[in-house]
Amino acid sequence: QKEVEQDPGPLSVPEGAIVSLNCTYSNSAFQYFMWYRQYSRKGPELLMYTYSSGNKEDGRFTAQVDKSSKYISLFIRDSQPSDSATYLCAMSEEGFKTIFGAGTRLFVKA
Amino acid sequence: NAGVTQTPKFRVLKTGQSMTLLCAQDMNHEYMYWYRQDPGMGLRLIHYSVGEGTTAKGEVPDGYNVSRLKKQNFLLGLESAAPSQTSVYFCASSRPGLAGVLVETQYFGPGTRLLVL
Repeated sequence: QKEVEQDPGPLSVPEGAIVSLNCTYSNSAFQYFMWYRQYSRKGPELLMYTYSSGNKEDGRFTAQVDKSSKYISLFIRDSQPSDSATYLCAMSEEGFKTIFGAGTRLFVKA
Repeated sequence: NAGVTQTPKFRVLKTGQSMTLLCAQDMNHEYMYWYRQDPGMGLRLIHYSVGEGTTAKGEVPDGYNVSRLKKQNFLLGLESAAPSQTSVYFCASSRPGLAGVLVETQYFGPGTRLLVL
């Protein structure tokens, strides 16, 4: 069993839809939870991170962490074609050795 | 300010050949990392370095060696390439995080696509 599980998709939604991306994990010691966005043929870039449980909002993006269920989510409101990318969840115990999910490919259709 | 750069961008090797991938960062970051990305596997850490002259093994270090002779450079070597090393290789760098509070962003390079025949 992988430490971090993420549905690879692809997920296809119409422009303006609310997108929900999720990951589950098995290591209860993870404290840092991150979402990276990766455009085609580019390196990943950090989108959001949270420490421990709770929610964090940044514009159209909301990250949620439920440590009791070992489940994290990223919500994208009013999705745009420019949001089409692969979204990688990532987690860490100490903050620098990071375990990545396989990534979910998202397509937002205009 | 170029961030993290990687050379080459693309390379084809024959089984048994050797090569070195170069990563350079101009952000004065202490930490540097080498990952490989394969379909369905996500990013997997090969080796990392927490400072000049120091390196450590990650999740999948076999078949690779690294060196960090200068703070800004991190080299990944394949001594005898195998088809299983066909992948996209990403280098990243970051500052040390403040313990217990802050995770530092990892900045990634554009990747090197390697095909081993």
